[in-house]
Amino acid sequence: EAGVAQSPRYKIIEKRQSVAFWCNPISGHATLYWYQQILGQGPKLLIQFQNNGVVDDSQLPKDRFSAERLKGVDSTLKIQPAKLEDSAVYLCASSRGEEQFFGPGTRLTVL
Amino acid sequence: SQQGEEDPQALSIQEGENATMNCSYKTSINNLQWYRQNSGRGLVHLILIRSNEREKHSGRLRVTLDTSKKSSSLLITASRAADTASYFCATDKTGANNLFFGTGTRLTVIP
Repeated sequence: EAGVAQSPRYKIIEKRQSVAFWCNPISGHATLYWYQQILGQGPKLLIQFQNNGVVDDSQLPKDRFSAERLKGVDSTLKIQPAKLEDSAVYLCASSRGEEQFFGPGTRLTVL
Repeated sequence: SQQGEEDPQALSIQEGENATMNCSYKTSINNLQWYRQNSGRGLVHLILIRSNEREKHSGRLRVTLDTSKKSSSLLITASRAADTASYFCATDKTGANNLFFGTGTRLTVIP
């Protein structure tokens, strides 16, 4: 079974620029999650989708972050404009039950 | 703010020894999960314990949960060098599987 795929793996941008991350979940997993993991901390949930509907986005900074999951499969997370404090690893996960399966993450550096 | 706090922040042991990590959380939960993160395999689910359970085993892992003290512990027996990783507890407050991760314990197993 193929795992959760994410791209790009690394991204370096300057502050105030825009960036987008892509996630392809495990086939058949209805729930998709985006997490932000700052160096030295645990992952923080940004948004949770059930199929193509949002279940929880209470920790998503909506003034600059947006996410969508068209057709209930792939998802994109966008930051516009980026700030220095957005430097982190962005993890995508998917699940069918309670166990979440994580992708390798995208490491974002904002200069 | 993150739900869980792991203790200790870092732990170094010899191969073959047991490792114990603790997690404390702040509010009532539906279940608590432990995850491992290393550079090779990313973030991986280890074990889930429900709020009405007190102890659970999986291979060399033993998890306990004390809801009265709002704490959990993860015991890894007969540690191996391959167990070197960061270990995170994550709480699900509502059963909706939106997890709150702790700060993690960095375990180093010396061969």
